[in-house]
Amino acid sequence: GQQVMQIPQYQHVQEGEDFTTYCNSSTTLSNIQWYKQRPGGHPVFLIQLVKSGEVKKQKRLTFQFGEAKKNSSLHITATQTTDVGTYFCAPDTGNQFYFGTGTSLTVIP
Amino acid sequence: EAGVTQSPTHLIKTRGQQVTLRCSPISGHTSVYWYQQALGLGLQFLLWYDEGEERNRGNFPPRFSGRQFPNYSSELNVNALELEDSALYLCASSLRPDGSYEQYFGPGTRLTVT
Repeated sequence: GQQVMQIPQYQHVQEGEDFTTYCNSSTTLSNIQWYKQRPGGHPVFLIQLVKSGEVKKQKRLTFQFGEAKKNSSLHITATQTTDVGTYFCAPDTGNQFYFGTGTSLTVIP
Repeated sequence: EAGVTQSPTHLIKTRGQQVTLRCSPISGHTSVYWYQQALGLGLQFLLWYDEGEERNRGNFPPRFSGRQFPNYSSELNVNALELEDSALYLCASSLRPDGSYEQYFGPGTRLTVT
């Protein structure tokens, strides 16, 4: 079955430092999505990556899809307290909807 | 545009009871997904409905069931509640899955089983 590993599980950073979370799949993916869940909130869609090697940016967030379409990363430059939350990857497997285990980001002011 | 709505917001039930959770998708969305999120844990896929049909289900026992109505709203039923069913139940909707599975989540129903 689908195996999705997301690392790290937790990350504490000082405000202004960078942050990266990685999502690794055991199988080739057709696409991958990223979601953010604020504490006490619900997941909110951030982006979808489809093409091999794709890189997309949203302000301070950079999303990458690996060349083999088996891994993806989310990088945040110069974190802010508003970045606090859990970031989930969600690989598209066609008919099942798996979410990665998530990376919980704490930003220390 | 109204987002995904869920009811009730909170629910307390006793072990062995049955519960029904409700979800209304965004207007125009035909797919509805249900997830379980236990405290501090990730999202576990429960069920996927599209056009009134159950398209797939996650690794949950049969006492978790549901349905989708002609207006695309959905219900999740859990029978014979167990303590470990205590969790946040999230509903999400998306346009018909013909390429983009971008999901919009509701605020969730917090179920506590005592």
